[in-house]
Amino acid sequence: DAGVIQSPRHEVTEMGQEVTLRCKPISGHDYLFWYRQTMMRGLELLIYFNNNVPIDDSGMPEDRFSAKMPNASFSTLKIQPSEPRDSAVYFCASSRYPGTGDYEQYFGPGTRLTVT
Amino acid sequence: AQSVTQLDSQVPVFEEAPVELRCNYSSSVSVYLFWYVQYPNQGLQLLLKYLSGSTLVKGINGFEAEFNKSQTSFHLRKPSVHISDTAEYFCAVSDQPGNTPLVFGKGTRLSVIA
Repeated sequence: DAGVIQSPRHEVTEMGQEVTLRCKPISGHDYLFWYRQTMMRGLELLIYFNNNVPIDDSGMPEDRFSAKMPNASFSTLKIQPSEPRDSAVYFCASSRYPGTGDYEQYFGPGTRLTVT
Repeated sequence: AQSVTQLDSQVPVFEEAPVELRCNYSSSVSVYLFWYVQYPNQGLQLLLKYLSGSTLVKGINGFEAEFNKSQTSFHLRKPSVHISDTAEYFCAVSDQPGNTPLVFGKGTRLSVIA
């Protein structure tokens, strides 16, 4: 399997622009997580899905952030409008039901977002 | 609520020397503990995990960790480090492995010096 795929790997945009980050989880995985990594706050959860349904979005910073999972093989994280404080590395991770015996969350390579 | 404390933000060590990266956790429920490694400009890779059973857990690349419930610790060790071990190491906790979010520590940057 190709692993978790994220695109783009790097994104530079100007303040006020809309940004869309994309994630393709590992085929057959049931859970999808979006994390954000910053120097100040470290790695923190933004939102996660189970079978395409959002379970917990309490980590989403504000209404400017939205996430969708229209099907089992694709998810997006959108920021509109973007602000310089959104600059961070955004990771997507996926996992299977624990009953399978696989307890690992598999991480994608991340998208480095810079908002100027 | 769960939390993880990694006591050292940076650890420099000479090549072939032993290293210990410290991790303490706080949780009111059963805990499942993980160590991940992040190489520059890459995603996170699982080193090892503790779910139950033996408190000494062996992982990839020669790393091991010991779960100590009384001290609420899960320190990572390697008897002899290599230059290639230079990376950021994250300790994480979950109350249900696999299907709930991980709570991460702030990370420890291990720098191996030749």
